[in-house]
Amino acid sequence: EVQLVQSRAALKKPGESLRISCRASGYLFNNYWIAWVRQMPGKGLECMGIIYPGDSDTRYSPSFQGQVTMSADTSLTTAFLQWDSLKASDTATYYCVRQSMRNSLDIWGQGTVVVVSS
Amino acid sequence: DIQMTQSPSSLSASVGDRVVITCQASQDITMHLNWYQQKPGKAPKLLIYDVKTPETGVPSRFRGSGSGTNFTFTITSLQPEDVATYYCQQCDDLIGTFGQGTRLDI
Repeated sequence: EVQLVQSRAALKKPGESLRISCRASGYLFNNYWIAWVRQMPGKGLECMGIIYPGDSDTRYSPSFQGQVTMSADTSLTTAFLQWDSLKASDTATYYCVRQSMRNSLDIWGQGTVVVVSS
Repeated sequence: DIQMTQSPSSLSASVGDRVVITCQASQDITMHLNWYQQKPGKAPKLLIYDVKTPETGVPSRFRGSGSGTNFTFTITSLQPEDVATYYCQQCDDLIGTFGQGTRLDI
């Protein structure tokens, strides 16, 4: 079964760092882009950027450039999303998603809830 | 960036109704348009890709059409389980952008 399994929810304080993960199984991890999608509470979907695990080619949406870092470990078939210094406005659900060969987002992780509060 | 304008933002309909959602792109995206369904508390799910091709297992009442900059998503006969928020997404750019979403109630 093709699936993406994300790390558990995180409760952090402003200024703290965080790395969340997305473990892929059931397909050739190296050969598909992985997208990260943010959903703030009660709001819509925003694509933060994408990473190609095969060569770590990474593209960020302008709104998220410099705010987060995407990475991938092919030996673990896992993608990561990292913050160096969280803000309250980072509170959201974050989804990792496989981007199909037709550029549709066809396999979604279950989401990781991140809450940043003092 | 390509902007996607989706309407309406919300709508209420009855079981058996025909429901139509529209999506307009800020520039020509040819056929690079997808539709997603998100039920409350769940991850989104791909319903239709490349404007009109249903993902495997998607009921035939979900239809897509359009090209260029104007696109339409139709539920031909609304069912109770279709309560959800629906999003269009352009994938003409490598990083896709979503419409604002349409919340559908019964």
